Amino acid sequence: ELKVEQNPLFLSMQEGKNYTIYCNYSTTSDRLYWYRQDPGKSLESLFVLLSNGAVKQEGRLMASLDTKARLSTLHITAAVHDLSATYFCAVDINAGNMLTFGGGTRLMVKP
Amino acid sequence: DVKVTQSSRYLVKRTGEKVFLECVQDMDHENMFWYRQDPGLGLRLIYFSYDVKMKEKGDIPEGYSVSREKKERFSLILESASTNQTSMYLCASSSIGTGYQPQHFGDGTRLSIL
Repeated sequence: ELKVEQNPLFLSMQEGKNYTIYCNYSTTSDRLYWYRQDPGKSLESLFVLLSNGAVKQEGRLMASLDTKARLSTLHITAAVHDLSATYFCAVDINAGNMLTFGGGTRLMVKP
Repeated sequence: DVKVTQSSRYLVKRTGEKVFLECVQDMDHENMFWYRQDPGLGLRLIYFSYDVKMKEKGDIPEGYSVSREKKERFSLILESASTNQTSMYLCASSSIGTGYQPQHFGDGTRLSIL
């Protein structure tokens, strides 16, 4: 059974600081997705990582995938309040687009 | 833009009722999914469908059934609602086209079973 674990589950940080969210998974896969969810809103796709060593960047967020370590990271650079949200990683292991989600990381960025 | 529309944002039902949650997508996607979201547990897959009238169980199908009579519509049915089915329910769709496309989510239905 595939397990996807994110840590931390909750992160409070100051504006301007850097931090990394980790996503570990238990079964070999080279397809990993990152989503963002604002309170009361739906999930928005951020990144699709499809191979070992894949790195994607959008603004202050950068995601990477190490399939050998079964680890993805979401790095936040110089955080701003607008990045406050819950971030989910999700792993696809059977190419059928069935995703197993991590528990989510709730990020709060304080002024 | 892909639009996934769930019929209700909030729903309150009673124990034992049969409950229908409806989802419609407008992008001709082959795949459709139903998840429930609970704090600390992330999203858990209930059922998915890869074609009309086709369905596959996800991780937590017990107490639920689904129906997909048309490509754009995927319904989740709680046969006899129980209080432990109080949750946020999210519908999603995706294409099987070139590459691995992300799933697109609806706004969710917050269901309370009293």
